[in-house]
Amino acid sequence: GAGVSQSPRYKVAKRGQDVALRCDPISGHVSLFWYQQALGQGPEFLTYFQNEAQLDKSGLPSDRFFAERPEGSVSTLKIQRTQQEDSAVYLCASSLVSGGTLEQYFGPGTRLTVT
Amino acid sequence: AQSVAQPEDQVNVAEGNPLTVKCTYSVSGNPYLFWYVQYPNRGLQFLLKYITGDNLVKGSYGFEAEFNKSQTSFHLKKPSALVSDSALYFCAVRDGSGGSYIPTFGRGTSLIVHP
Repeated sequence: GAGVSQSPRYKVAKRGQDVALRCDPISGHVSLFWYQQALGQGPEFLTYFQNEAQLDKSGLPSDRFFAERPEGSVSTLKIQRTQQEDSAVYLCASSLVSGGTLEQYFGPGTRLTVT
Repeated sequence: AQSVAQPEDQVNVAEGNPLTVKCTYSVSGNPYLFWYVQYPNRGLQFLLKYITGDNLVKGSYGFEAEFNKSQTSFHLKKPSALVSDSALYFCAVRDGSGGSYIPTFGRGTSLIVHP
């Protein structure tokens, strides 16, 4: 079956521009995570959804970052007024149920470059 | 707080030899431990996990890992390495006791298998 997909795969933005990154999780997966992966680092948690509810956004680095999952499936991560430090790979992952004992399925990521 | 350490940035091994990728963790409650592999330009793929039960866990592609509570370690192993195993490996931990669903990932270890 289809895995987690993300679009666009690559995004170049000029500093100050707004960007929107899309994640299509595996159908039926309840949990959805967004991560930021800097070069040479592991994924760092940004935010977590259980269905349409955003249960944790403690990892969002600033109020320029906003995520939503209005119908409990597709999710969008929006970054306003992008800065150079926002350059990273943004990973989306989904999991069948909540709770966290199950493994996560990751998308290929969106590589964001802010110039 | 929870944390993961992968003390080696890179591991080199000859094809056919056994391999070990090290991971130590810190968590206040019961550890849920995961290994993921990342190939270039692709998302992380689940390899194996320890939640409870036998300390030796077997996973995909012939990999296994041993949970050692006293040493707080969860090293990834494979008896005979393949060139195709060359990739980036991430260890992750989640506190299974506190109700948190947020995993913490290590920085990753680059495994290079030489022909």
